[in-house]
Amino acid sequence: QKEVEQNSGPLSVPEGAIASLNCTYSDRGSQSFFWYRQYSGKSPELIMSIYSNGDKEDGRFTAQLNKASQYVSLLIRDSQPSDSATYLCAVKAGGFKTIFGAGTRLFVKA
Amino acid sequence: SQTIHQWPATLVQPVGSPLSLECTVEGTSNPNLYWYRQAAGRGLQLLFYSVGIGQISSEVPQNLSASRPQDRQFILSSKKLLLSDSGFYLCAWMNRLGANVLTFGAGSRLTVL
Repeated sequence: QKEVEQNSGPLSVPEGAIASLNCTYSDRGSQSFFWYRQYSGKSPELIMSIYSNGDKEDGRFTAQLNKASQYVSLLIRDSQPSDSATYLCAVKAGGFKTIFGAGTRLFVKA
Repeated sequence: SQTIHQWPATLVQPVGSPLSLECTVEGTSNPNLYWYRQAAGRGLQLLFYSVGIGQISSEVPQNLSASRPQDRQFILSSKKLLLSDSGFYLCAWMNRLGANVLTFGAGSRLTVL
């Protein structure tokens, strides 16, 4: 069973702080890694994608991938109350399927 | 640009009734199409995916079925709903020539009573 594991949270950070979200995956053949944000009652939307080891930055978001440790993370700098949502880690190996973790709930306190 | 439409947005159905959820994609050809379900407070469970017309792969044994009668149309069905079928159903598409990114529709929230 290919799995993606996340801490369900909730993770609570003050406004302006750095939020750190973590994810591990079991399939060593995984090639593509994604972070989605999901507001309550809404569908997931892509925040970041990463395909090779290292860091990838996009505005306040940084995704980090370590394939040897089967670990992917998302850092949110200068967290805002509007960042409060559930963050889903997703992993795609070869083939057609993308597997999602259960998500981490993030609360940013004003 | 590509858009994905999903309907109905919300429905309440009695146990034992049939179900039909529809999804269509615009602005792309030959996409991979997916149905996911999200139970309350849970992650996304892959139900079905399709790589072409009439080609359906099922991920979990259950009383749901899927069909792809046209290139950009994906339908989720059930003949008799169970209480456990309640959830948030999400259709998604992926451009097989792109970066493997899934784009989701707005979702259909099903409550079975």
